[in-house]
Parts: sequence; structure tokens; C-alpha cells
Amino acid sequence: DSGVTQTPKHLITATGQRVTLRCSPRSGDLSVYWYQQSLDQGLQFLIQYYNGEERAKGNILERFSAQQFPDLHSELNLSSLELGDSALYFCASSPLKGETRSGANVLTFGAGSRLTVL
Amino acid sequence: GDSVTQMEGPVTLSEEAFLTINCTYTATGYPSLFWYVQYPGEGLQLLLKATKADDKGSNKGFEATYRKETTSFHLEKGSVQVSDSAVYFCALPVSGTYKYIFGTGTRLKVLA
Repeated sequence: DSGVTQTPKHLITATGQRVTLRCSPRSGDLSVYWYQQSLDQGLQFLIQYYNGEERAKGNILERFSAQQFPDLHSELNLSSLELGDSALYFCASSPLKGETRSGANVLTFGAGSRLTVL
Repeated sequence: GDSVTQMEGPVTLSEEAFLTINCTYTATGYPSLFWYVQYPGEGLQLLLKATKADDKGSNKGFEATYRKETTSFHLEKGSVQVSDSAVYFCALPVSGTYKYIFGTGTRLKVLA
């Protein structure tokens, strides 16, 4: 158990629908990162939050949004789902805002949420 | 911009064989470098890291040396086991941002 909890583990839905993925970071970690893992595109960075504020944005579609709440858990909302959104969505957490020279800001990943869009 | 390039997989080896998985990077400055491993059905977990040039990270028999001259961070293990079968990712923080980028991953399969 990495300490990062993601729910649900599996989700099957239809095109056009909306889903919410939830992540609870490891105790003490203030940063949360979302990644999408698909077979053809590898691990793609979506977005990062630190202590409730958005800090970095990657290749996140406009149909996707995220937020980090005061208790530090985060939710990733995916709407108007398309077949191509089927993927594994990983959440990771880390203690700091970003990288330091010490390499202390190690990312800890959850087990992922597998989304299947039919 | 910053990037990470890994060798294509899959890599198939017999038990006790020597493993090398190549990773090269492009970055501004000298970021920390990481190797993560993803076992079947699980999330990624940190395998090892190095924070400056000539540093050697090691864990579970795996090693990687931060080579500034060749901008490389190749992963090696002297004798692989079936339990090492997994996908290995090289990663680095993108300079001037808070994000981390990962290589495409190299799948390793070790046969008994």
C-alpha cells in the first residue's frame, strides 16, 4: 500500500457521460499530480495542485477539470467522454511544491483508476 | 524543451541475465533523475534516484549512474529474476515548472 488512495478502481461508462475520479494523497503530502496512461501515448501529465492551488498544467483537455480540496484530496472530472478517453488515470502525491536539488520531492503513485468508455 | 527518451521494449531476458535499459534526457541545468517501476496491475513506485552528476542510485540490485557528459541515466542489473518483470520508467522534473515527465516505459519480461 503506497498510502495514495484512488477510487474507483474500475469504471465503465458510455460516451457523452461524466465521471469523477477521486484521490487521497499520502499523509503529509501537499502536492497532487494527475497522469493519464494509455497504450499508445504512455504516461501523460495532466495537472498538478499544491495545497489547494493549481501549479502546473499539462496536456489536459478542456473537457477535463480538477481541483484539490482543503483536506488535500483531489478530484479529476472528465466530461463529454469519448472512446479515446479510455485509459488508466493515476494520481500521485509528493511532499513539496516541486523539485529540489536534494531529490526529496519523490512522487508516490496510487494504484490507478481504469476508465472504460463504451 | 525538456524530454526523456527510453529504449523501446519489450525486453525479454532469461533469469540471471544482465539487464541494461537506456535512458537519455534533455534538460536545462542538472535536474534530479529517477527510475520508477510498475508491476502488473499496480501503480508506479520509485526504484532509485540520483540528484547530481556522477551520483549512482541503487536499490534492489538495480543501479543507474547520472552521466552529465552523455546526458544519460541507464538502468542496470547484474542478474535479473522473474520477479523483475515489470515496466520501467525514467523520469525527471521539468526545469522552471512543477511537473515531472516520464519516458514511454520499457517493458521487461524475465523467463525462468
